[in-house]
Amino acid sequence: AQRVTQPEKLLSVFKGAPVELKCNYSYSGSPELFWYVQYSRQRLQLLLRHISRESIKGFTADLNKGETSFHLKKPFAQEEDSAMYYCALSSGSARQLTFGSGTQLTVLP
Amino acid sequence: DTGVSQDPRHKITKRGQNVTFRCDPISEHNRLYWYRQTLGQGPEFLTYFQNEAQLEKSRLLSDRFSAERPKGSFSTLEIQRTEQGDSAMYLCASSLGLAGVPEQYFGPGTRLTVT
Repeated sequence: AQRVTQPEKLLSVFKGAPVELKCNYSYSGSPELFWYVQYSRQRLQLLLRHISRESIKGFTADLNKGETSFHLKKPFAQEEDSAMYYCALSSGSARQLTFGSGTQLTVLP
Repeated sequence: DTGVSQDPRHKITKRGQNVTFRCDPISEHNRLYWYRQTLGQGPEFLTYFQNEAQLEKSRLLSDRFSAERPKGSFSTLEIQRTEQGDSAMYLCASSLGLAGVPEQYFGPGTRLTVT
């Protein structure tokens, strides 16, 4: 069965510092991985997906199949990046998402 | 607002009562998903519709849970004989069923509190 692990529940960094949110997965097939973000009082929204290999709001994530990881990175954090971040894996005929438990990122001024 | 909508946004009910939630997906989206999110956890998949067909329902938590999408548009999720453990946020998502893995768009959720 598939599993997504986000080891950090809380992460605080100062504005301008680099940030890395960790995500590890277990899945027997070829993974389709995503990062979703939820800003305060807003709905869950897609941040980026590994297959598109694009940078959104300065964030990037590289799929490392050897380490089964999909860490989210940003070189210079901004206060508006403060949010809950979820790593998710798509699987099954329904292409349903399996989510990690999330990391609450706080960027301090 | 042309995004996914859910109604009600909040529901408080007594244990043993039945509740029904509604989800209106983005109009052209043929795929619809229900998820449940409890405190401190990520969303957990419950069930999936493609048009009006419920193609995956093995993850529904018990036989007290049922879902419908009668005309392939809006969907309802019903919980019968609610229990305190059913208290959670219930999320709906929709996507356009093209090839590959289309983006899922989430609604704001319905927060259920069972007293």
